[in-house]
Amino acid sequence: EVQLVESGGGLVKPGGSLRLSCAASGFTFSSYSMNWVRQAPGKGLEWVSSISSSSSYIYYADSVKGRFTISRDNAKNSLYLQMNSLRAEDTAVYYCARDGVEMATNTEIDYWGQGTLVTVSS
Amino acid sequence: DIQMTQSPSTLSASVGDRVTITCRASQSISSWLAWYQQKPGKAPKLLIYKASSLESGVPSRFSGSGSGTEFTLTISSLQPDDFATYYCQQYNSYGLTFGGGTKVEIK
Repeated sequence: EVQLVESGGGLVKPGGSLRLSCAASGFTFSSYSMNWVRQAPGKGLEWVSSISSSSSYIYYADSVKGRFTISRDNAKNSLYLQMNSLRAEDTAVYYCARDGVEMATNTEIDYWGQGTLVTVSS
Repeated sequence: DIQMTQSPSTLSASVGDRVTITCRASQSISSWLAWYQQKPGKAPKLLIYKASSLESGVPSRFSGSGSGTEFTLTISSLQPDDFATYYCQQYNSYGLTFGGGTKVEIK
């Protein structure tokens, strides 16, 4: 069974940093591109970042470019999101999500974690 | 980035109704479109990919159609479990973008 479990969320002050982690199991992690998608309270879904299976290709939304860094450790079956210079508008539930096709990018998202809440407030 | 526009934003319907949700892309995305269902406090669930392919385990009352810039999600006979918010998403190119969502409410 595919499982994605996020951790690392919490309350942080504006300008602060936070590192999210996603532990993956139940599939060959190193074969899939991965994503972070967020959802502000009461709002819709917003794609944040994607990373290919071997980390060769990395993409960011304009809203986080230069502040957030996505990475992965295939030996540890883990995905990360380093978030710096956090703003109030980054407050959201952050979902770790798997692409639906092995060894590909630009595919549908077929599995999602339960999400971790990041709150940016003084 | 490609803009995705969903309509309506809210839909009131009864059990047994046929429901259609529309998603429009600001430029052609071929058939690279997915539909997701989300219930309060839960992660989204994939329903349809490549515009019209039904994800494994999803009831056949859900169907998708369209290509280019116009897409629809249809629920042939609305069931109590279907009251939720639905999102379309294009994956033709990065940055990936979602529609604003359609909340299906009980009439």
